[in-house]
Amino acid sequence: QQQVKQSPQSLIVQKGGISIINCAYENTAFDYFPWYQQFPGKGPALLIAIRPDVSEKKEGRFTISFNKSAKQFSLHIMDSQPGDSATYFCAASISWGGATNKLIFGTGTLLAVQP
Amino acid sequence: DAGVIQSPRHEVTEMGQEVTLRCKPISGHDYLFWYRQTMMRGLELLIYFNNNVPIDDSGMPEDRFSAKMPNASFSTLKIQPSEPRDSAVYFCASSSRDSNTGELFFGEGSRLTVL
Repeated sequence: QQQVKQSPQSLIVQKGGISIINCAYENTAFDYFPWYQQFPGKGPALLIAIRPDVSEKKEGRFTISFNKSAKQFSLHIMDSQPGDSATYFCAASISWGGATNKLIFGTGTLLAVQP
Repeated sequence: DAGVIQSPRHEVTEMGQEVTLRCKPISGHDYLFWYRQTMMRGLELLIYFNNNVPIDDSGMPEDRFSAKMPNASFSTLKIQPSEPRDSAVYFCASSSRDSNTGELFFGEGSRLTVL
């Protein structure tokens, strides 16, 4: 129940295209859903995050769509660029800022944007 | 701030040897996390501390693994004895309960190879 399932494992997109990565969870107590971006040889870094009181959050070319009833959320990268090539992780936690602050990560998606 | 600092960046050792990984969190952060990253399992939470106290070590794979946080600016993850299946990248991350984004700040990782 603590798992976060992420797909696809890898993704190849042409420059200018839309990249879509999907995640699903079981634990309805999760209330914080961030996406992290990781470049080779570096640690993951926060990209964008959403709480379940909204269905969508947009920051520049990056959008999180959240479907509470389906227990799914996804990352959309519009106008994908070669510089977006990285590994993307979805994650979930319960009560961030509260008792636990324990982030559970998906298995990651390796995105390659071809020029 | 220098960010989360981990050492060593790379470690190659032989099976049976003791391995100690070190982490200096961002000053003022009250949470510290140890994650392990492998291709097969992605990012796994091993243990996390709040105000230097271990809160959840349910992710520690077995008794060969131990972690300590003797003060707010230093933590160690020890593997004794090490085995080839421990080969992975180990990340340390820190965060602040006061953060309204819930952001984890990761170090650049320690790549461990056990021969």
